[in-house]
Amino acid sequence: LAKTTQPISMDSYEGQEVNITCSHNNIATNDYITWYQQFPSQGPRFIIQGYKTKVTNEVASLFIPADRKSSTLSLPRVSLSDTAVYYCPLLDSWGKLQFGAGTQVVVTP
Amino acid sequence: DTGVSQDPRHKITKRGQNVTFRCDPISEHNRLYWYRQTLGQGPEFLTYFQNEAQLEKSRLLSDRFSAERPKGSFSTLEIQRTEQGDSAMYLCASSLGPELFFGSGTQLSVL
Repeated sequence: LAKTTQPISMDSYEGQEVNITCSHNNIATNDYITWYQQFPSQGPRFIIQGYKTKVTNEVASLFIPADRKSSTLSLPRVSLSDTAVYYCPLLDSWGKLQFGAGTQVVVTP
Repeated sequence: DTGVSQDPRHKITKRGQNVTFRCDPISEHNRLYWYRQTLGQGPEFLTYFQNEAQLEKSRLLSDRFSAERPKGSFSTLEIQRTEQGDSAMYLCASSLGPELFFGSGTQLSVL
């Protein structure tokens, strides 16, 4: 199974843009790249999904290079409530997610 | 509430006891997943169902673990003869498409 690698933690100030990069060198052809957010004592919550190029929704943007071996989640103008763990699990053709360890993002005033 | 519901939220048990968790998915979702998460780690896949059929089980799921989804609705996860290493958050998720919707989990502590 493909494995994802992310930085363990990132710090930011309110109002800044946060970019989290995920490596997935062995991604399979049919895998989609997804990002989830998790707060303490809650289950992960879907943020965004993509296959290639760029995807944007009301919450974030996802950048995927042509080789698909990495992806970058961009959170514009973060607030204190964006403090959470962010994961980039790969979604296989069976609809199953494979999670890595995630990135703890801490936003301070 | 139309989200994924898990019961109980917390369970404390003694080593060797059996425990059972319940998950009620979003009603129209045909896929249901169980994951396990320990502190500081991402969720680990355990098993999943499409309707009532259990399609895949992880190697993490020893013979002491069993999951069911009768009639393709709610699901139960049973752990027999619990061990201290079973202490974790057990998460349930459901889906109809590519987005998985997770419940808040059952936190199991084995003493």
